Amino acid sequence: DAKTTQPPSMDCAEGRAANLPCNHSTISGNEYVYWYRQIHSQGPQYIIHGLKNNETNEMASLIITEDRKSSTLILPHATLRDTAVYYCIVRSGAAGNKLTFGGGTRVLVKP
Amino acid sequence: DTAVSQTPKYLVTQMGNDKSIKCEQNLGHDTMYWYKQDSKKFLKIMFSYNNKELIINETVPNRFSPKSPDKAHLNLHINSLELGDSAVYFCASSQRTSGETQYFGPGTRLLVL
Repeated sequence: DAKTTQPPSMDCAEGRAANLPCNHSTISGNEYVYWYRQIHSQGPQYIIHGLKNNETNEMASLIITEDRKSSTLILPHATLRDTAVYYCIVRSGAAGNKLTFGGGTRVLVKP
Repeated sequence: DTAVSQTPKYLVTQMGNDKSIKCEQNLGHDTMYWYKQDSKKFLKIMFSYNNKELIINETVPNRFSPKSPDKAHLNLHINSLELGDSAVYFCASSQRTSGETQYFGPGTRLLVL
């Protein structure tokens, strides 16, 4: 599976949009981009995933660049409960289904 | 109405003991996983089962033995516990179709003294 690069940490003001970048320059054509988050002391929580089109759900939006080498997770209106570590993961459906977690981005939402 | 549940939530034990952690999912998924999160917070896959068949077995000591009695359960038995086994263990499940999503349990915090 392709390796991802994320900033180690970022702060965000409550009520503002949080834009979390992820680089995956070695992604191949059949690999999906997944985002999970882990709130302190809890299990990882699925947020969103995509292949090449932008995606939106009730939690977030995922913007994937046309060359698929990077993506951005957007939390439209960050709340204090969004404080967590956010993981960007690239995974192929043929790779045995495992998720390979990196260091993630520690997001702190401040009032 | 928990989707993926684990027991116990906390486990404190002595070095050398044998212990088990249980995982159950009520999502009707056919694939289940065990992940380990160490003190540095890195999450790593340990095992994966699909329809009770082992499909992923990462480089885990053979003191760790997963057992899947049915599709809804994946238990983790650990023999001769060592200090380095102290970690948080997460169970997850998914449906094995293209691009499936994994749902995680709340974790079991194991402390070996």
